[in-house]
Amino acid sequence: ILNVEQSPQSLHVQEGDSTNFTCSFPSSNFYALHWYRWETAKSPEALFVMTLNGDEKKKGRISATLNTKEGYSYLYIKGSQPEDSATYLCAQQLNAGNNRKLIWGLGTSLAVNP
Amino acid sequence: KAGVTQTPRYLIKTRGQQVTLSCSPISGHRSVSWYQQTPGQGLQFLFEYFSETQRNKGNFPGRFSGRQFSNSRSEMNVSTLELGDSALYLCASSSGRAIETQYFGPGTRLLVL
Repeated sequence: ILNVEQSPQSLHVQEGDSTNFTCSFPSSNFYALHWYRWETAKSPEALFVMTLNGDEKKKGRISATLNTKEGYSYLYIKGSQPEDSATYLCAQQLNAGNNRKLIWGLGTSLAVNP
Repeated sequence: KAGVTQTPRYLIKTRGQQVTLSCSPISGHRSVSWYQQTPGQGLQFLFEYFSETQRNKGNFPGRFSGRQFSNSRSEMNVSTLELGDSALYLCASSSGRAIETQYFGPGTRLLVL
């Protein structure tokens, strides 16, 4: 069984703080790494799909890095805002086509206090 | 473009009953994946349908089944419901390419009494 682990499980920060969390995954059988944001009472929303070792992606104040050799990805939020409060999920994609499957972490729950 | 829709949004059933959940993907998307989420568990993959064929399957018992229609709409059926089937069921649609994001629906919350 392949496990995707996320840390910390939850995080409380003040508005304006920058924060980061980690997604760890088995480095073998790597195909892609997905990040999603899931706000309460809404649907999970895609943030990034990353495939290459050393890849960096950015969307506004949110960015992510990927290290496929050591099996981790970091998600950074610069200057957190209350609207960033959500659960951030990562998922490792093991393969493509007929064997495409995503293995999900449990998420990091972020609360940003105004 | 309209997003992914799921019906019903909430459902209460009793043990032993069966249930059918529906998912309408984004127009043009041919892949629909189903997930189960229970407290303390990550999203657990149930199955993926692509062009009316089950393309991939997770580790769930045979009580969980699905199908996809020619318009890409998908249904998931759970027979002989158990208390442990109480969960949020999400579907996600995509075009079916090798690497791409999935677009999730709002989910169906099922409570089994």
